[in-house]
Amino acid sequence: AQSVTQLDSHVSVSEGTPVLLRCNYSSSYSPSLFWYVQHPNKGLQLLLKYTSAATLVKGINGFEAEFKKSETSFHLTKPSAHMSDAAEYFCVVSDSSNTGKLIFGQGTTLQVKP
Amino acid sequence: GAGVSQSPSNKVTEKGKDVELRCDPISGHTALYWYRQSLGQGLEFLIYFQGNSAPDKSGLPSDRFSAERTGGSVSTLTIQRTQQEDSAVYLCASSLGSAGSFYGYTFGSGTRLTVV
Repeated sequence: AQSVTQLDSHVSVSEGTPVLLRCNYSSSYSPSLFWYVQHPNKGLQLLLKYTSAATLVKGINGFEAEFKKSETSFHLTKPSAHMSDAAEYFCVVSDSSNTGKLIFGQGTTLQVKP
Repeated sequence: GAGVSQSPSNKVTEKGKDVELRCDPISGHTALYWYRQSLGQGLEFLIYFQGNSAPDKSGLPSDRFSAERTGGSVSTLTIQRTQQEDSAVYLCASSLGSAGSFYGYTFGSGTRLTVV
């Protein structure tokens, strides 16, 4: 069965410093992986997705993630944090049943300090 | 519509009452999903509709939960005899096809259900 583990429930960075949100996945096949962001009282927004093309995926708002099969990781990074990046981030893997179901991690809260 | 629309945005109900939550997906999207987000938790899959196929109900937590999708468009999630543990944000998502990993998903803003 597929699963994702977000290694940090809470990450705090200063504005202008790099962001690293860690995610490990478990899958018996080549998965599709996503990062979603949820701002307070807002809907989920897709940041980026990996679907077996380039292993380095660029998303919106300067975020990117690298798929590392050997490490079963899909960490999310951004070179310089902005105050508006403060939100909840979810690492997600698609279910293998080809129904398009998503399996969500528990989420990482990103705090950006001025 | 331009996005996935859910109503109501907030619902407070008394324990034991029935509630209906509505999802209006993006026009032309054949796949529709319901998820539940409890406080401090990730999203939990509830049910999936794809076209005219039988829905995948494997995520429904109990027989108090049911969902319908009429005409391949609007969906209603019904919770009977609500319990306090049903309090959560219920999110709906739609996708152009069953291979959502290829087409992408669009989520609604959710319905926040509070059972008192």
